[in-house]
Amino acid sequence: QKEVEQDPGPLSVPEGAIVSLNCTYSNSAFQYFMWYRQYSRKGPELLMYTYSSGNKEDGRFTAQVDKSSKYISLFIRDSQPSDSATYLCAMKGAQKLVFGQGTRLTINP
Amino acid sequence: GAVVSQHPSRVICKSGTSVKIECRSLDFQATTMFWYRQFPKKSLMLMATSNEGSKATYEQGVEKDKFLINHASLTLSTLTVTSAHPEDSSFYICSAKSGQETQYFGPGTRLLVL
Repeated sequence: QKEVEQDPGPLSVPEGAIVSLNCTYSNSAFQYFMWYRQYSRKGPELLMYTYSSGNKEDGRFTAQVDKSSKYISLFIRDSQPSDSATYLCAMKGAQKLVFGQGTRLTINP
Repeated sequence: GAVVSQHPSRVICKSGTSVKIECRSLDFQATTMFWYRQFPKKSLMLMATSNEGSKATYEQGVEKDKFLINHASLTLSTLTVTSAHPEDSSFYICSAKSGQETQYFGPGTRLLVL
């Protein structure tokens, strides 16, 4: 079993839709949870960084962590074509960052 | 947010030659830098972790004599792919962090070995 599971997609939605991206994990030592956005042929860009269970909102993005279920989510409201990218969840405990496989998202105008 | 740069962004080389990739933290001092490799449509694979002034720690299966890492200062780390072969062609990404802060990634370097 992989430490972090993420559906690779691809996921295609119309502009303006609410997007839900998810990851599950097996290592209960993970304490820090991140979402990165990666455009084609570019390095990952940090979107959200959370530590505790609950919700964290930043503009159109909301990150949700449920440590009891070992489940994290990223919601994108009012999605835009410019949101089209690959979204990677990442998490760490005391050691290295572990990435999900990434979900390729396309927002259709 | 913190800025990390990489140079070059793209490099093509002949098989058997060595290639050096630079990673710089532009507006912060990076106590730790990381080197990743990414294959098409795949996630990032950690190759090694380097702390300034000490030897890099390589992940299992990564040849340290092939992928030489130097972290000589708090703002610069280099990855040298020695005697490159076509199977080394990939997207190499570095990241940097200061203390317990989160990692910030560079834009990546695309290596093509002919």
